Amino acid sequence: GAGVSQSPSNKVTEKGKDVELRCDPISGHTALYWYRQRLGQGLEFLIYFQGNSAPDKSGLPSDRFSAERTGESVSTLTIQRTQQEDSAVYLCASSSGSGTYNEQFFGPGTRLTVL
Amino acid sequence: KQEVTQIPAALSVPEGENLVLNCSFTDSAIYNLQWFRQDPGKGLTSLLLIQSSQREQTSGRLNASLDKSSGRSTLYIAASQPGDSATYLCAVPLSSNTGKLIFGQGTTLQVKP
Repeated sequence: GAGVSQSPSNKVTEKGKDVELRCDPISGHTALYWYRQRLGQGLEFLIYFQGNSAPDKSGLPSDRFSAERTGESVSTLTIQRTQQEDSAVYLCASSSGSGTYNEQFFGPGTRLTVL
Repeated sequence: KQEVTQIPAALSVPEGENLVLNCSFTDSAIYNLQWFRQDPGKGLTSLLLIQSSQREQTSGRLNASLDKSSGRSTLYIAASQPGDSATYLCAVPLSSNTGKLIFGQGTTLQVKP
């Protein structure tokens, strides 16, 4: 397909509610990454999927955050019991292979606002 | 621990000027370095990827260089245009096992017509 797509583009929710963010990677890309960008801060790595391997969850900030990926396609990032500090832009990226040599392509992001 | 720093944080230049953005990293054992552009409220657009074995990469008016031994990369933009106004980010992979990236804080560029 075209590029990485994400939905929704914007999400406003109340504190304590659960939210689900979706990422569609570029077709054929085996690696998928989630990053978070809080206002005025740099991008933080959250989680990494590579094929059928166990995901690298080392960047998830708390157990309220979880992510799933079906094979080498769509991924969803779920945040339970949202807090105001979860407000950020959540960016998804994909690349054609694992490891360090492959260029990552980013989606437009989902802007999450927790009131 | 790998840390990535970008200087300056912000830069304003008149249209037509050539400019250089700087990126430094503390651990020189990198596998590649990627430069991105981010427009306000948008995602990241990949500009250039330099593998560790390369010294530079060029795409149109952009030229990125890499000096692993000194822990530095530069992004050169020739004949800047107002449309080049954006935040430019550099990033390196965290480890040899995965491609998860460590980003600099970015340089916000404004090109004035």
